[in-house]
Amino acid sequence: DAKTTQPNSMESNEEEPVHLPCNHSTISGTDYIHWYRQLPSQGPEYVIHGLTSNVNNRMASLAIAEDRKSSTLILHRATLRDAAVYYCILSMVDSGYALNFGKGTSLLVTP
Amino acid sequence: DGGITQSPKYLFRKEGQNVTLSCEQNLNHDAMYWYRQDPGQGLRLIYYSQIVNDFQKGDIAEGYSVSREKKESFPLTVTSAQKNPTAFYLCASRRLAGGSSFGGELFFGEGSRLTVL
Repeated sequence: DAKTTQPNSMESNEEEPVHLPCNHSTISGTDYIHWYRQLPSQGPEYVIHGLTSNVNNRMASLAIAEDRKSSTLILHRATLRDAAVYYCILSMVDSGYALNFGKGTSLLVTP
Repeated sequence: DGGITQSPKYLFRKEGQNVTLSCEQNLNHDAMYWYRQDPGQGLRLIYYSQIVNDFQKGDIAEGYSVSREKKESFPLTVTSAQKNPTAFYLCASRRLAGGSSFGGELFFGEGSRLTVL
């Protein structure tokens, strides 16, 4: 199984940019990179996804390394509402596109 | 509004009892999933279903059962064979994007918290 590695926790100041790293050295050519985040006592919510090129949406940006073995989720200006657990996940085509969530990175945002 | 509804939100069960958690979606999504989350841990996949009347085991299926008789519904039964059932259970669904391994955005319900007394 293609797996991801993320730091257990990170801390950021409010209104500062945040770069959340993810390593996925065993990624295959057709694996998409997904990011979800989970607020306390809620289900995860979709943030962004990408395959090869960098992606931007209203929530965040996703920067994908040229060799695709790592990626970085970028929150351009962290707010207190961005404090959550962020999961970096690879698609598993052989398992009905099921996404396996690891432990993710717990992001703490301080005023 | 479209979405995923899980019920009950909180459930208490005595040891040895089976319980069924409900998951209903009105998003017309093809695939549905059940995950389990323990405190401080990530989500682990229990079962998933891509089409009606068909489902597959995930990583931790032992002690659980599911059915998919309708596209909208994917109930999970926690049986007495599940050794440590106290956990937060999350149901999710997605519209499978044909021809793409992206698989579509995953939408989650609000979860059901099961406590075994």
